[in-house]
Amino acid sequence: EAQVTQNPRYLITVTGKKLTVTCSQNMNHEYMSWYRQDPGLGLRQIYYSMNVEVTDKGDVPEGYKVSRKEKRNFPLILESPSPNQTSLYFCASSLGTGPAFFGQGTRLTVV
Amino acid sequence: TQLLEQSPQFLSIQEGENLTVYCNSSSVFSSLQWYRQEPGEGPVLLVTVVTGGEVKKLKRLTFQFGDARKDSSLHITAAQPGDTGLYLCAGDTSGTYKYIFGTGTRLKVLA
Repeated sequence: EAQVTQNPRYLITVTGKKLTVTCSQNMNHEYMSWYRQDPGLGLRQIYYSMNVEVTDKGDVPEGYKVSRKEKRNFPLILESPSPNQTSLYFCASSLGTGPAFFGQGTRLTVV
Repeated sequence: TQLLEQSPQFLSIQEGENLTVYCNSSSVFSSLQWYRQEPGEGPVLLVTVVTGGEVKKLKRLTFQFGDARKDSSLHITAAQPGDTGLYLCAGDTSGTYKYIFGTGTRLKVLA
């Protein structure tokens, strides 16, 4: 089954404690991206990647890092999380035009 | 952060009624996508439009891309309770795969 898998689904952490949200796709897609979804602000792109070792900033990259060492994986790293990064996060992938498949989401709370 | 303007924000209608949702911007889009999102889940891609004036149909849903590629509409004929959800448009204005999302139209179809 074609899918994008995110882990964990839910995470509560403390300010400053480094964390990684994993994202994996099984469709051999070149394009992958990360979004955060906040009430009243909609979905905002954090980072995207056109292929292995090729990443670029979206609209809200501050406080986040990504890496694309393999085609299937695109982890999101928060080196020092802060409460304003509390949000619902989605990973997505596609062959090209627009994010086509989204993961189930990761609900992150930073206290 | 530029957002696509969607209207209306909320819509509550009876089963069997028709409706139209709009997605507008002052920017020209290389491509535009429509999604439906249900609570606690990731958005599901409904359609991608790339050519000005393009019309695509998906069962009872009709999508239109404006001639100038700055706006789009989604028309649902004879809405059903299963159409309930958050409808999102998203687009890439620069051909760089840097996508922006609209704030969404929350649709509720009453049986």
